[in-house]
Amino acid sequence: QVQLQESGPGLVKPSGTLSLTCAVSGGSISSSNWWSWVRQPPGKGLEWIGEIYHSGSTNYNPSLKSRVTISVDKSKNHFSLKLRSVTAADTAVYFCARDLPGDGFDYWGQGTLVTVSS
Amino acid sequence: QLVLTQSPSASASLGASVKLTCTLSSGHSSYAIAWHQQQPEKGPRYLMKLNSDGSHSKGDGIPDRFSGSSSGAERYLTISSLQSEDEADYYCQTWSTGIQVFGGGTRLTVL
Repeated sequence: QVQLQESGPGLVKPSGTLSLTCAVSGGSISSSNWWSWVRQPPGKGLEWIGEIYHSGSTNYNPSLKSRVTISVDKSKNHFSLKLRSVTAADTAVYFCARDLPGDGFDYWGQGTLVTVSS
Repeated sequence: QLVLTQSPSASASLGASVKLTCTLSSGHSSYAIAWHQQQPEKGPRYLMKLNSDGSHSKGDGIPDRFSGSSSGAERYLTISSLQSEDEADYYCQTWSTGIQVFGGGTRLTVL
């Protein structure tokens, strides 16, 4: 069974860069799936950030596109998120997920809380 | 614009059934969606993919108490024989080329 695990700093300073990694186990990141990042501000709903295919192709949420980069490392079977110029509004639990094409996000990580604060 | 609309809250009694609704925006009534459950302090869990004709395929280990149906632009999640652990937030999700969209979520309270 596929498992996803987010990791990265839990605290980022305003104007800094948020960096997270999602390790994939129980399956290959080079399979025919897209891999997404989703976030959830405290007490709010889910917001899609963006996705990547193992070829390196990416799609981003237009509202975040100017600040986001998602990359993949096939040798480590993981993918990563960088969000630049963060503010308190970027404080959220960040999830990674596998996108089964045409079926939705069928596997999710447990999430990691990132707080933006000085 | 591709948008999903959900009622913010719903409630039903232990052992009863409840039907949650997710509405697709105008022009998108043929789209499939996925339903996800998020229990308190946990990550989301994939429940099922639901097609416009009401056919659906569930995720691993999802009980038979969970079922889906469709009518026009509306997509439904029905939970029967409600249990206390069904108290959770339920999100619908859809997609188009290069974009993923979530509904605002429905918080289900089991009375």
